[in-house]
Amino acid sequence: DAGVIQSPRHEVTEMGQEVTLRCKPISGHNSLFWYRQTMMRGLELLIYFNNNVPIDDSGMPEDRFSAKMPNASFSTLKIQPSEPRDSAVYFCASSQQGGNTEAFFGQGTRLTVV
Amino acid sequence: DAKTTQPPSMDCAEGRAANLPCNHSTISGNEYVYWYRQIHSQGPQYIIHGLKNNETNEMASLIITEDRKSSTLILPHATLRDTAVYYCIVRSPNTGTASKLTFGTGTRLQVML
Repeated sequence: DAGVIQSPRHEVTEMGQEVTLRCKPISGHNSLFWYRQTMMRGLELLIYFNNNVPIDDSGMPEDRFSAKMPNASFSTLKIQPSEPRDSAVYFCASSQQGGNTEAFFGQGTRLTVV
Repeated sequence: DAKTTQPPSMDCAEGRAANLPCNHSTISGNEYVYWYRQIHSQGPQYIIHGLKNNETNEMASLIITEDRKSSTLILPHATLRDTAVYYCIVRSPNTGTASKLTFGTGTRLQVML
């Protein structure tokens, strides 16, 4: 398996534009996590899904952020409209369901909003 | 999930063992201890996890105290490539839904020549 695949790896956009980040989890994994990492706040869990259903989105900063998982092999994180403070590295991770299983992370998407 | 406390940074000489401590005094009886690391500009990488017993794999050893209030990650022969931020995480078991993996600030390990 190629691991968790995120795209794009880098994104530069202007303030006010819509940004869509994509994630393909490892085949067979039924849990998916979106994280955001900044120098100031470290790694923050934004939202996670189990069997394509959002379980906890309490980490989503505000209504400008939304995430979907239309099927087991694809998820998106959308920011609309984007703001400079959204600049960060966004990571997607997947795992099999359960507290005794490891999560595998993608390489991240570095987002810069100017 | 229980919180963890780690030293912000540590140094280790190459070839020596790196012992990274973690305090999790409020851990519940069914919570696991996980260790991840993040090398600069990469996604976090799983290292090892355990519940009560000590664990060892090809990357590291995990020593959990008998009262489970603390643990130590041991890299037996540290190399320059082990320079990274190491995160100790306490994770709830599966209760029918996906369990969170919440990261703290970690320990920045610098391996030196």
